[in-house]
Amino acid sequence: TQLLEQSPQFLSIQEGENLTVYCNSSSVFSSLQWYRQEPGEGPVLLVTVVTGGEVKKLKRLTFQFGDARKDSSLHITAAQTGDTGLYLCAGDGTATNKLIFGTGTLLAVQP
Amino acid sequence: DAGITQSPRHKVTETGTPVTLRCHQTENHRYMYWYRQDPGHGLRLIHYSYGVKDTDKGEVSDGYSVSRSKTEDFLLTLESATSSQTSVYFCAISESGGSGETQYFGPGTRLLVL
Repeated sequence: TQLLEQSPQFLSIQEGENLTVYCNSSSVFSSLQWYRQEPGEGPVLLVTVVTGGEVKKLKRLTFQFGDARKDSSLHITAAQTGDTGLYLCAGDGTATNKLIFGTGTLLAVQP
Repeated sequence: DAGITQSPRHKVTETGTPVTLRCHQTENHRYMYWYRQDPGHGLRLIHYSYGVKDTDKGEVSDGYSVSRSKTEDFLLTLESATSSQTSVYFCAISESGGSGETQYFGPGTRLLVL
């Protein structure tokens, strides 16, 4: 069974600080996605990475896919209160097209 | 926003009663999914559909059944609800189920089984 572990589980920071969220597995994934979920809503896709070593930037968010395609990270620069939410990584298993979701990181950015 | 609605949005029921949740899409996407979300577990796939009358099990399918008689509707049924099925249920859709494809999620249904 492919599993994705995220760390940290919870993160509370002040506006303007930087942070990194990690998504790790012992399994290889053909692609990896990051979603953000706000309270009372469904997850919304932020980015998809497909190549080992790939780095993608989305304004203040930087996403990296590990060289071996087993892990990924999300770095937020100068966090804003609007970044508050649950961040989920999701891997597309090599043996199946079904997404496997990570355990989630709940981020609270305080003003 | 992708056109996905879920009904009901909230439901309270008693142990042993049947419950049906509905997902409706207006995007004509081929794939539809049912997930449950619980603290510490992220999202776990219950069942999915790859076409009308074509469904398959996910990671946590025990106690659940699904049906898809039309492209736009995907129903999730709890035959006899148990307290362990208290959760938030999300429906998602994707165009063709391909690797790395975006899944679009509905707003969720919060189910409490007493």
